Amino acid sequence: TQLLEQSPQFLSIQEGENLTVYCNSSSVFSSLQWYRQEPGEGPVLLVTVVTGGEVKKLKRLTFQFGDARKDSSLHITAAQPGDTGLYLCAGAMGSSTLGRLYFGRGTQLTVWP
Amino acid sequence: NAGVMQNPRHLVRRRGQEARLRCSPMKGHSHVYWYRQLPEEGLKFMVYLQKENIIDESGMPKERFSAEFPKEGPSILRIQQVVRGDSAAYFCASLGQANQPQHFGDGTRLSIL
Repeated sequence: TQLLEQSPQFLSIQEGENLTVYCNSSSVFSSLQWYRQEPGEGPVLLVTVVTGGEVKKLKRLTFQFGDARKDSSLHITAAQPGDTGLYLCAGAMGSSTLGRLYFGRGTQLTVWP
Repeated sequence: NAGVMQNPRHLVRRRGQEARLRCSPMKGHSHVYWYRQLPEEGLKFMVYLQKENIIDESGMPKERFSAEFPKEGPSILRIQQVVRGDSAAYFCASLGQANQPQHFGDGTRLSIL
């Protein structure tokens, strides 16, 4: 069973388009992290959100944590070919982040020039 | 400013052999996590160790798999009598203290012939 459901699984768009990736669960998380992974490499942390309703911006990327801390979204504005990669959401449970992370299956994003 | 170091990056074994995967955490990090990634799947938690102690091994198969994180030296994930289904990318992450994010290595790609 997958605790975190990511959608869509694949996304192929043209440069300049906007997109949103969703990460949903029926469970509550103490924090949620978004990673980006390139082929042959490990996941690289993009952002951590910890407060329900929190919104964080990282240049053209906007991350939101749901009010109930069960879901999150990643919105990319004016996508560029350099944004291509596998985007993973991961949630932590419990009062601290010392425990395991629960990962979604990932969204493979391809941005064409 | 070394990150999480994993070696080897690629490992080929024949069925029945042993595989040893090593992970050196970031400097100052005493918490180590192992995850397994299969194609088109997210990362699946295997085990969480803190120096010389296994904290959570709920994601690790009961047979053939073991992990250690000795006082000195890297963390080791050992797979005995490997089978084809063990083929995957194995990632290690480390963390310094509570409420900090996990930082990942670039993984070991294990192939079983």
